[in-house]
Amino acid sequence: GAVVSQHPSWVICKSGTSVKIECRSLDFQATTMFWYRQFPKQSLMLMATSNEGSKATYEQGVEKDKFLINHASLTLSTLTVTSAHPEDSSFYICSAWGAGGSSYNEQFFGPGTRLTVL
Amino acid sequence: SQKIEQNSEALNIQEGKTATLTCNYTNYSPAYLQWYRQDPGRGPVFLLLIRENEKEKRKERLKVTFDTTLKQSLFHITASQPADSATYLCALVTGGYQKVTFGIGTKLQVIP
Repeated sequence: GAVVSQHPSWVICKSGTSVKIECRSLDFQATTMFWYRQFPKQSLMLMATSNEGSKATYEQGVEKDKFLINHASLTLSTLTVTSAHPEDSSFYICSAWGAGGSSYNEQFFGPGTRLTVL
Repeated sequence: SQKIEQNSEALNIQEGKTATLTCNYTNYSPAYLQWYRQDPGRGPVFLLLIRENEKEKRKERLKVTFDTTLKQSLFHITASQPADSATYLCALVTGGYQKVTFGIGTKLQVIP
């Protein structure tokens, strides 16, 4: 099946700094990728939809100026958490839909990035 | 308001038994419903998909049912094994087959 990778797998940063998380589709092209956030013992919450070559679509309540998304190519989307604060500490996961065949209608998730803001 | 409910209490069952997990939803008209497995500190892994016009789907030891009248899906794992221990997420797909909304998940523990 299709593979989605994320980098880094975990990151610790100081409050006020910015952190960039990369999401790559390794063996297929993804015109659309999704960014989720998951707090402990809670469900995955969709933050934004990342569209290649255009602006991301953010869910209600998600600050677009704080969570910058760039989808510059068909295999790479990045999420930058700007001026991170401790409340931004969470598990960030990206995903992309399968490109066809048996993977059609299947969403592939990255392994996630654990962000800890001190 | 829209809601997806999964039993957030952990489910403990004996190895070899059938585990049954429930997903109920309100105020959604999903095109289809998916089940995922999530291990601690990992992203979800897709297991099964069932469409609104399908009643039942099977894949090896897994079975999913979908009752759009009751607004409920049941997820069964037969002959459960300790390796099946994980959190299982129900997800509804709406809005042109793109928007996915997840339930909180049910943690399954299979006891040897």
